[in-house]
Amino acid sequence: LAKTTQPISMDSYEGQEVNITCSHNNIATNDYITWYQQFPSQGPRFIIQGYKTKVTNEVASLFIPADRKSSTLSLPRVSLSDTAVYYCLVGAQNTGGFKTIFGAGTRLFVKA
Amino acid sequence: GAVVSQHPSRVICKSGTSVKIECRSLDFQATTMFWYRQFPKQSLMLMATSNEGSKATYEQGVEKDKFLINHASLTLSTLTVTSAHPEDSSFYICSAVLDGQGGYEQYFGPGTRLTVT
Repeated sequence: LAKTTQPISMDSYEGQEVNITCSHNNIATNDYITWYQQFPSQGPRFIIQGYKTKVTNEVASLFIPADRKSSTLSLPRVSLSDTAVYYCLVGAQNTGGFKTIFGAGTRLFVKA
Repeated sequence: GAVVSQHPSRVICKSGTSVKIECRSLDFQATTMFWYRQFPKQSLMLMATSNEGSKATYEQGVEKDKFLINHASLTLSTLTVTSAHPEDSSFYICSAVLDGQGGYEQYFGPGTRLTVT
């Protein structure tokens, strides 16, 4: 399983763009990259998923370089409600099943 | 989007008793579900992989006789904490993998707060 490394915490201000980078040097060919958001005492919430290049949805963008050894979650114009822990996960379905291992995550603090 | 529910959302039990937590995929089938536990200010720790119709696969260090998992249908997995002790107090979260999508779509439940007194 590919291990992921993220910054422990980040601070930002309302209205700014936030970029959180995740390193996954041992990513396998079949692995997808998925980002989740978690608020205290809640289950993780899916944000975005990608395999290569760039993916964009209504809440975020995900940038993946050609070597796929890292990825960057971009949150445009954050608000106070974006204060949460963000997890980068790498995984895929293999023979016999697969499992998802969470890293430490990045605690994002958005200030007014 | 796909919804996963957990019941109960929080439970308080006395030391030595057993507690069952249910995880349901409400609008999709999930052959595979996962169980996690999370302590305050920490990340989610995978406890076991639950596969419908077969025995669960436990992570190293997780006692299978203490944390009983049953995945009897494609929409329900249960975690029973047997003979609970205060150190079992934690936030338990399940997730369900959407069948037929290559395993890449995983949805999490809202979590169950267990407090053992």
